[in-house]
Amino acid sequence: NAGVTQTPKFRVLKTGQSMTLLCAQDMNHEYMYWYRQDPGMGLRLIHYSVGEGTTAKGEVPDGYNVSRLKKQNFLLGLESAAPSQTSVYFCASSFPTGTGAPLHFGNGTRLTVT
Amino acid sequence: EDQVTQSPEALRLQEGESSSLNCSYTVSGLRGLFWYRQDPGKGPEFLFTLYSAGEEKEKERLKATLTKKESFLHITAPKPEDSATYLCAVQGTSGTYKYIFGTGTRLKVLA
Repeated sequence: NAGVTQTPKFRVLKTGQSMTLLCAQDMNHEYMYWYRQDPGMGLRLIHYSVGEGTTAKGEVPDGYNVSRLKKQNFLLGLESAAPSQTSVYFCASSFPTGTGAPLHFGNGTRLTVT
Repeated sequence: EDQVTQSPEALRLQEGESSSLNCSYTVSGLRGLFWYRQDPGKGPEFLFTLYSAGEEKEKERLKATLTKKESFLHITAPKPEDSATYLCAVQGTSGTYKYIFGTGTRLKVLA
């Protein structure tokens, strides 16, 4: 029972380089999310998806792109990394129920941009 | 604007010393209030969902309660393995995708 799996776990980039973070979930959840977590700040939503083939911007989308080609996968791309994107990135998924549905998180990708 | 504030930022307890963590929230219609536990280097782990004022949930040494303005996470006779950061989040009626997180309470339980 893997839940939400993120790869890679760690990555160091130089300014201007690009990379893709991969998220996979095996719970058949419709909704998937990308968050970043920085010291002293709560988890902030970057982008989210309400289903295969659809994505939308969250609170802090600038500098990131996403794709949801398959229901179980959600990719986060950085086209030209900046030091301000140094952070821990978490993927999450949930059912879209009418009452509150909890998020289920992966274990994160720690990204450093030098 | 939806908002979540957690207090204290950090808490040190002796093993067996019970205490409470606070989560104050402002939201336009509450779908759910969530408590998570986060260990260093890991993602948040879901603990509880509370839906309406007066509701309580329990799990081992943890008990979560909810009023119209705040939630408490009570820790009874904590053990060192309860040391973690505890996060609170709310989901309002403004959108099923929107979760607002607090900055967490770092709990350290000393043996």
